[in-house]
Order: sequence, then structure tokens, then C-alpha cells
Amino acid sequence: NAGVMQNPRHLVRRRGQEARLRCSPMKGHSHVYWYRQLPEEGLKFMVYLQKENIIDESGMPKERFSAEFPKEGPSILRIQQVVRGDSAAYFCASSRQTSGQETQYFGPGTRLLVL
Amino acid sequence: TQLLEQSPQFLSIQEGENLTVYCNSSSVFSSLQWYRQEPGEGPVLLVTVVTGGEVKKLKRLTFQFGDARKDSSLHITAAQPGDTGLYLCAGEKQAGTALIFGKGTTLSVSS
Repeated sequence: NAGVMQNPRHLVRRRGQEARLRCSPMKGHSHVYWYRQLPEEGLKFMVYLQKENIIDESGMPKERFSAEFPKEGPSILRIQQVVRGDSAAYFCASSRQTSGQETQYFGPGTRLLVL
Repeated sequence: TQLLEQSPQFLSIQEGENLTVYCNSSSVFSSLQWYRQEPGEGPVLLVTVVTGGEVKKLKRLTFQFGDARKDSSLHITAAQPGDTGLYLCAGEKQAGTALIFGKGTTLSVSS
């Protein structure tokens, strides 16, 4: 029963370094969503991708953040030159399709700590 | 501006008590979902409600979607310590789009 997989589960970076977060969707799912959860706040949408395409990146900061979902391999959320404010839990979710009501299944998250 | 307002934010009750968590908005949603999140884990889907006025039951949990599809409630009967966790409501404006989450309700049930 392979659900959504994320790695690493925990990531520590110093200010100015790069963070790469990986997400493997559930088998048969071609849609990936990334969310960020800050302490005392709910999950906030960042970006929505299908294979090789970014569908909606309205929630992702314009600078330092990028996301991709290549034809082969996991989806990657990349944060360049991290700052302390980037410390948060990052979750990805996957779904099968969007032609109707499709559930988003969440991974266990990556906890990023920026020192 | 929080699009989905959840209340209460914190709830601490004794085993056996009943409770209700509310999720309110001024916006209409095509669907609304309830998730439960344990510390250090991702949200796990409990239920999806789609039709206005819909009521779904999951053992001791009862979920309701408002007639106008702007609000929802989660009612737990005879709470147990195993119900402890963070409960999140999330709405979808259109099928397949990003979920909009409330801030969550942290429930603590003591024996």
C-alpha cells in the first residue's frame, strides 16, 4: 500500500544553502500539489503540477522557490538561498485526475529547519 | 484574510463527552474535506462532502455540509483519547484545484 512518499523527512540547512524536497506520488497519480504548513497556521497551497507542466503556481513565492515534476522521477520543490522564515513543514499531495471530484492524498511531509 | 474559519481553535474534553467543530466561510465550495493530522505526519482524509445539506457518518463522527455549501461541521459522539489530534477542514473551489485549509482545531481527549 504505497502512499505518497516524501524525502527527506527532516532537513536541516544553514542560511544561504539550497533545500531540495522530493515527492513521489501514489501509483497512478499524475497530479501533485505542494503545501506549506507554518506553526500556528493552516496548510497553504504553493504549487500544482502535472507531469512536465506547472498548472498553478500562484501560492509559491516568485523568488528562490521553484518546482518541477519531470516525466520520470519524483516531483522536486527547490528552495534556493534559504532563510530562517523558510522553516516549515512542506507537504505534497497527489491525485489521479481533475475531471471530477478526486481526493488529494498527502505524504508525511518534510520538516525543514533553517539555522 | 482566512477564507475558511475553523472554531474552536483548541478543545480539551473528557472521555465520553460530545463535541462539534465548525468550519465557516462566506464563499461557496464545490466540495469540502475533513482531515486529521497527527504530530509529525501528514493530513489523513476522513471524509469528503460534495452536496449541499449532505450528512455523512463515520462511526462516531458525523459530518455535515451546509445547504449553501459555505460551511461544514464535524460532530464527535462519546469522544475517546484516540480521537486526540488536529482536525482540519479544507475546501475546493473547483474540482481538481488547490485546497484551501482552515487553521485547524486541536482536540485533546483525556481519560
